[in-house]
Amino acid sequence: ETGVTQSPTHLIKTRGQQVTLRCSSQSGHNTVSWYQQALGQGPQFIFQYYREEENGRGNFPPRFSGLQFPNYSSELNVNALELDDSALYLCAYRDPNTGELFFGEGSRLTVL
Amino acid sequence: AQSVTQLGSHVSVSEGALVLLRCNYSSSVPPYLFWYVQYPNQGLQLLLKYTTGATLVKGINGFEAEFKKSETSFHLTKPSAHMSDAAEYFCAVSAPGGSYIPTFGRGTSLIVHP
Repeated sequence: ETGVTQSPTHLIKTRGQQVTLRCSSQSGHNTVSWYQQALGQGPQFIFQYYREEENGRGNFPPRFSGLQFPNYSSELNVNALELDDSALYLCAYRDPNTGELFFGEGSRLTVL
Repeated sequence: AQSVTQLGSHVSVSEGALVLLRCNYSSSVPPYLFWYVQYPNQGLQLLLKYTTGATLVKGINGFEAEFKKSETSFHLTKPSAHMSDAAEYFCAVSAPGGSYIPTFGRGTSLIVHP
């Protein structure tokens, strides 16, 4: 049990639609990152937020956007969904003392 | 820039046998190295990490890994496999300091036979 909660756990969308995924932690850690894990692949870094500001971004287009709120919870938004966006989306909070990442169980997105 | 190569997408062992999962990395700076485990329908959990100091690192569940700079490797081992070890294992590398954002390998699925 990592104390990181993601919602929804599963969802199905169609091409062109928009999706919002949510992540929160009980830990009080203020740095959250999002990853996309396609089937049979390792997690790919999307972006990271620290105290409500994006402070790192991977190789993902602008239609992937995010937010972090004052309580350090976070959202990942994906616009104009494509079939290749089908994946498990993971969020993780980082312990600033050890650098360890604490992952949620993920949101599995299927785009039809 | 960093990258990770995990040799073998699947490794199959018998219960009680040695587990060896291979990881080679590329990094332009001294790396931080990690092994994560992912059980079905769950997120990733840290098994162990190397930052500085002792090159043999012990982790949870009896796993350990050795950082070998000359071989740019960080292989994961466990002397005796247990059925509960069946999972997906990911090696990751990041740069020291900074934001600790790791680059993950593609993963190795460990299959344990009774």
